[in-house]
Amino acid sequence: AQTVTQSQPEMSVQEAETVTLSCTYDTSESDYYLFWYKQPPSRQMILVIRQEAYKQQNATENRFSVNFQKAAKSFSLKISDSQLGDAAMYFCAYRSALNNDMRFGAGTRLTVKP
Amino acid sequence: KAGVTQTPRYLIKTRGQQVTLSCSPISGHRSVSWYQQTPGQGLQFLFEYFSETQRNKGNFPGRFSGRQFSNSRSEMNVSTLELGDSALYLCASSLDGVLNEKLFFGSGTQLSVL
Repeated sequence: AQTVTQSQPEMSVQEAETVTLSCTYDTSESDYYLFWYKQPPSRQMILVIRQEAYKQQNATENRFSVNFQKAAKSFSLKISDSQLGDAAMYFCAYRSALNNDMRFGAGTRLTVKP
Repeated sequence: KAGVTQTPRYLIKTRGQQVTLSCSPISGHRSVSWYQQTPGQGLQFLFEYFSETQRNKGNFPGRFSGRQFSNSRSEMNVSTLELGDSALYLCASSLDGVLNEKLFFGSGTQLSVL
């Protein structure tokens, strides 16, 4: 079964600085999708960025970018120019191309210091 | 467009009772999926419905069931509640249930089982 590991329970960053959140996954499949979701105190999960495994180019969305290393099964999230509103729990997620079962990591709580 | 609406926001039940949670997806979305979030187990996929049919199911006992109506609204039912069922239950909708599609989450129903 696929597993997703986020080894950093908590991270802290100074406002305007850059932070990288780590995520590794275990799978024997070659086709899949990876996501980073953000969960603020409102509890509503919000998609930050997504990556298709067949695409070699790393996805970017404004201040958010990923470093996707398929061979290493690594999918880290880089947040540039951190803002106070970025403070939240961040979840890495894996979705197989075979079904809709989405697996989430345990999450990383990001604190942004003013 | 209104977002994903989950009702109720909070619920308190006692062991042995049953509970029904409701989820109204974004208008036009046909796929609805449910997740359980607990501090110990994290986020776990329960099941996904598309056009009134359950397409995928996670690894949960038969006490957890759901259904989807013709207007895409979905309900989740848990029978014979156990203390371990205390969790935040999140519902997510997407347009066509395509695997790389963005999920839109509701704010969840916090269930406490006493």
